[in-house]
Amino acid sequence: DVQLVESGGDRVQPGGSLRLSCAASGFSFRNYAMSWVRQAPGKGLAWVAAISESDGSTYYAESVLGRFTISRDNSKNTVYLEMNSLRAEDTAVYYCAKCTGGWYEVCASDVWGQGARVTVSP
Amino acid sequence: EIALTQFPGTLSLSPGERATLSCRATQNLKNYLVWYQQRPDQAPRLLIFDTSNRAPGVPARFRGSGSGTDFTLTISGLEPEDFATYYCQQRYSWPPSFGQGTKVSLK
Repeated sequence: DVQLVESGGDRVQPGGSLRLSCAASGFSFRNYAMSWVRQAPGKGLAWVAAISESDGSTYYAESVLGRFTISRDNSKNTVYLEMNSLRAEDTAVYYCAKCTGGWYEVCASDVWGQGARVTVSP
Repeated sequence: EIALTQFPGTLSLSPGERATLSCRATQNLKNYLVWYQQRPDQAPRLLIFDTSNRAPGVPARFRGSGSGTDFTLTISGLEPEDFATYYCQQRYSWPPSFGQGTKVSLK
């Protein structure tokens, strides 16, 4: 089965840091770009970041640029989201998602994880 | 950045009825428009890829159409499991962006 499993969600104070992980299985991980999408409580979907399949190229939403870092380890079939200088408005469920293709195309997601909850509050 | 506007915000319908959901973009997307379904407390699910291509396993009652800046998702004959929120997303240019969603609720 094709699967993405996130971990690392937690409650953290404003200004703090957190690292999310997403373990992939059931597909050739190294052949696909990957992304993170978040959803604040009661709100819609918002794309956060994406990473290419192999050369480490990345793209970020303006709202997280300079604070969040997406990375991947193809030997472990895992993608990460390092989040620093967290703010209350970063509170959300963070979904790991597989892009339908490689970096040559803008990401649309055909496989999603179950989500990792991040709460930023004192 | 390309903005997407979905309307209506909420659609109240009964099982068996037809749902028509719209998505309008601020720029020409050609056909690079995607639809997702999100049921309560679940992750999104890819429904339609590049305007009109159903993802594997998606029933034929879901149909996508449109081009340029105006797109439509039609659900013919709502089933109980179709009551959910639907999002459009453009994959024409970086960054990818989502509409704010249309909730299809039970009348």
